[in-house]
Amino acid sequence: DTEVTQTPKHLVMGMTNKKSLKCEQHMGHRAMYWYKQKAKKPPELMFVYSYEKLSINESVPSRFSPECPNSSLLNLHLHALQPEDSALYLCASSQSGGVGEKLFFGSGTQLSVL
Amino acid sequence: EDQVTQSPEALRLQEGESSSLNCSYTVSGLRGLFWYRQDPGKGPEFLFTLYSAGEEKEKERLKATLTKKESFLHITAPKPEDSATYLCAVQAYSGGGADGLTFGKGTHLIIQP
Repeated sequence: DTEVTQTPKHLVMGMTNKKSLKCEQHMGHRAMYWYKQKAKKPPELMFVYSYEKLSINESVPSRFSPECPNSSLLNLHLHALQPEDSALYLCASSQSGGVGEKLFFGSGTQLSVL
Repeated sequence: EDQVTQSPEALRLQEGESSSLNCSYTVSGLRGLFWYRQDPGKGPEFLFTLYSAGEEKEKERLKATLTKKESFLHITAPKPEDSATYLCAVQAYSGGGADGLTFGKGTHLIIQP
């Protein structure tokens, strides 16, 4: 199994809603990532977890809250988002976050904030 | 600050017409240069990792090369199914721990039958 599975595939939420994005992998990887991608733009790194500990937080607003319950799961909790947060949210994983490791990406959650 | 610049932004080719995509980079210490392919509404799909100048890798109609300042993705006799956005990304030394990738804006490639 070389898949990274993200749910839901599409999400529409209001600015006062609370929702969560979920990501799962069963490749035994110990590094997991959240990226944000706006239309026609490259993916931008948001968070990195290494061995279930947050190792990188790229100055992301507090309305985004990551969680890594175990080595296979990664969540992104959303609260009080703004319309400009509408984007494709991508989850990725790699073996351990080491040198030159390729990242495996999920298909993403397309988020629309109304 | 790490920078990755890709050119051209968009490229339209006829089926069978070979060409090259460029990725120039500025990083403090390169750990790896990656090429990904991304189809609309999907996550990036890994193609190649290059580590040092002079390295080359091939896969089907694609060949990636690396110098100290840039990388090229050569596409030979492309087919319509090669149409996608091709992303270049770098991983740089940051003092330890897991690092993400810094992506370029990509080249949107269209292969016409």
